[in-house]
Amino acid sequence: EPEVTQTPSHQVTQMGQEVILRCVPISNHLYFYWYRQILGQKVEFLVSFYNNEISEKSEIFDDQFSVERPDGSNFTLKIRSTKLEDSAMYFCASRASGGYNEQFFGPGTRLTVL
Amino acid sequence: SQQGEEDPQALSIQEGENATMNCSYKTSINNLQWYRQNSGRGLVHLILIRSNEREKHSGRLRVTLDTSKKSSSLLITASRAADTASYFCATDGNFGNEKLTFGTGTRLTIIP
Repeated sequence: EPEVTQTPSHQVTQMGQEVILRCVPISNHLYFYWYRQILGQKVEFLVSFYNNEISEKSEIFDDQFSVERPDGSNFTLKIRSTKLEDSAMYFCASRASGGYNEQFFGPGTRLTVL
Repeated sequence: SQQGEEDPQALSIQEGENATMNCSYKTSINNLQWYRQNSGRGLVHLILIRSNEREKHSGRLRVTLDTSKKSSSLLITASRAADTASYFCATDGNFGNEKLTFGTGTRLTIIP
């Protein structure tokens, strides 16, 4: 069964460093998303992406964040200068075109900012 | 309450019993989805129910939706130890707003 994959599973970085989180969505999906979950809190929407551009972003998704689909299979989230409060589990999700808004999530990348 | 609030926050039952979790939301929705999350792991999609549906089944799962009360329930029948996880409802809005708004989750523990 096709699934969303994410790498790395765990990333540790120093405050102020740049990180890139990588996702490979399900191959025939056209809509991509990033969410995050701070430990013990709700899953929060960050950004949606379709047709090589951002469809919607939350207030969390400030200028420090960017997304890219560099090729036909990868979808990345870059955090330019990490802060302690960026420590969270980051989930990538994708969905097919048409139909209903069933979003399928990857296993997540746990980002720890020291 | 906030969009997507589940209750109870935690539920412990014996293996073989049925588990019922509830979700309430505040604004109009297009769809409501339920996800499972094993401790520290990813979100597994369980089931989607559209706003014009009242009930949906998938295996041992039964989901109901009452848009007049802005609430949904997830019933897991004949629970198994492997059902131990957190369960979240997630709603999306009208007019093509795709972003999912998640609830706080119900932590379900199945006692063998």
